[in-house]
Amino acid sequence: DAGITQSPRHKVTETGTPVTLRCHQTENHRYMYWYRQDPGHGLRLIHYSYGVKDTDKGEVSDGYSVSRSKTEDFLLTLESATSSQTSVYFCAISETGAGNSPLHFGNGTRLTVT
Amino acid sequence: DQQVKQNSPSLSVQEGRISILNCDYTNSMFDYFLWYKKYPAEGPTFLISISSIKDKNEDGRFTVFLNKSAKHLSLHIVPSQPGDSAVYFCAANYGGATNKLIFGTGTLLAVQP
Repeated sequence: DAGITQSPRHKVTETGTPVTLRCHQTENHRYMYWYRQDPGHGLRLIHYSYGVKDTDKGEVSDGYSVSRSKTEDFLLTLESATSSQTSVYFCAISETGAGNSPLHFGNGTRLTVT
Repeated sequence: DQQVKQNSPSLSVQEGRISILNCDYTNSMFDYFLWYKKYPAEGPTFLISISSIKDKNEDGRFTVFLNKSAKHLSLHIVPSQPGDSAVYFCAANYGGATNKLIFGTGTLLAVQP
């Protein structure tokens, strides 16, 4: 394992409630990413961070926000969860960025919005 | 618009034979390509990568081939083993400062004993 812990591993929540997923790394890597995996879509980038307090949007960022107040933690927040956000969410880290080095993934959080 | 395409949702191969997984891309600016393997209830695991300056990269039983003119890459697994049964994702990036790694939809490989 690349020292990545995602919490919680499973969550069921109701439509309209806020949800925060946490990614914690012990590798001291600069870059962190949030992806979601859905059938027929593969993995799609939600947001990523290239340093503390430095974040940028991915392909499917609407309805999501992120924060990174310290190197080891990257939080993904759904301000008001919708059923379309039911998915498996993966955090990934990279030492030098996705342009020239592989991403290493956590084991995912399965989120169900009812 | 799917920039990275894996047109075969599934593939079944006999143990010991070659598995060939295919991936096509549409953006000629992509210059870094990767393959990941994913088991159920686990995160994707990096397998092998190739940059656009090469046309082949090997790592043990795994070889990735890149055909830039056809915008096509493939992953060869020889010999295939039952433990190789998983979903395989190809991914591509523009390289350099861009951090938006684009994934295909995946191919489920089943290696039959």
